[in-house]
Amino acid sequence: EVQLVESGGGLVQPGGSLRLSCAASGFTFSTYWMNWVRQAPGKGLEWVANIKEDGSQKYYVDSVKGRFTVSRDNAQISLFLQMNSLRAEDTAVYYCARGVYDSASKTSYIDYWGQGTLVTVSS
Amino acid sequence: DIQMTQSPSSLSASVGDRVTITCRASQSISNSLNWYQQRPGKAPKFLIYAASSLQSGVPSRFSGSGSGTDFALTISSLQPEDFATYYCQQTYSSPLTFGPGSKVQI
Repeated sequence: EVQLVESGGGLVQPGGSLRLSCAASGFTFSTYWMNWVRQAPGKGLEWVANIKEDGSQKYYVDSVKGRFTVSRDNAQISLFLQMNSLRAEDTAVYYCARGVYDSASKTSYIDYWGQGTLVTVSS
Repeated sequence: DIQMTQSPSSLSASVGDRVTITCRASQSISNSLNWYQQRPGKAPKFLIYAASSLQSGVPSRFSGSGSGTDFALTISSLQPEDFATYYCQQTYSSPLTFGPGSKVQI
């Protein structure tokens, strides 16, 4: 059974830093792209970042570029999100999610999500 | 960036109704369109990929259609567990944007 368990959320002051972790199990972690998706309270889903299987490619939404860094440790079967210079608008539940590329349709999708970890940026 | 819009933003329906939600991309995304369901307080659940391919285990009352810029999610006969918010997402190019969501309520 695929499981994704996020941790590391909490309350942080504006300008502060936080590191989120996602522990994966039930699948061969090193063969999948991984994503971070967030959801502000009462709002919709926002894709934040993703990282290739071997960590060689990373992509970010513009609003976090230069502040957030996605990384992974395939030996420890974990995904990370280092968040610096946090702002009030970064307050959200952050989901770790597995990405899949379907070679038949030549499209990709997110098929499994964790339960999320809440990050609150406030003084 | 590719912008995604959805309509309606919310709708009221009854059990057994046929419901259709539309999603539009700001430029052609071929068939790189996915649909997700989110119930209150829960993580999203993956429903459909490549615009019309049903994920394994998803009930057949869900279907997707479209290509290019215009897409639709249809629920043929609404069940109590289908009352939720539905999001489309394009994976044609980064950033992988979601639509704003469509809430299906009683």
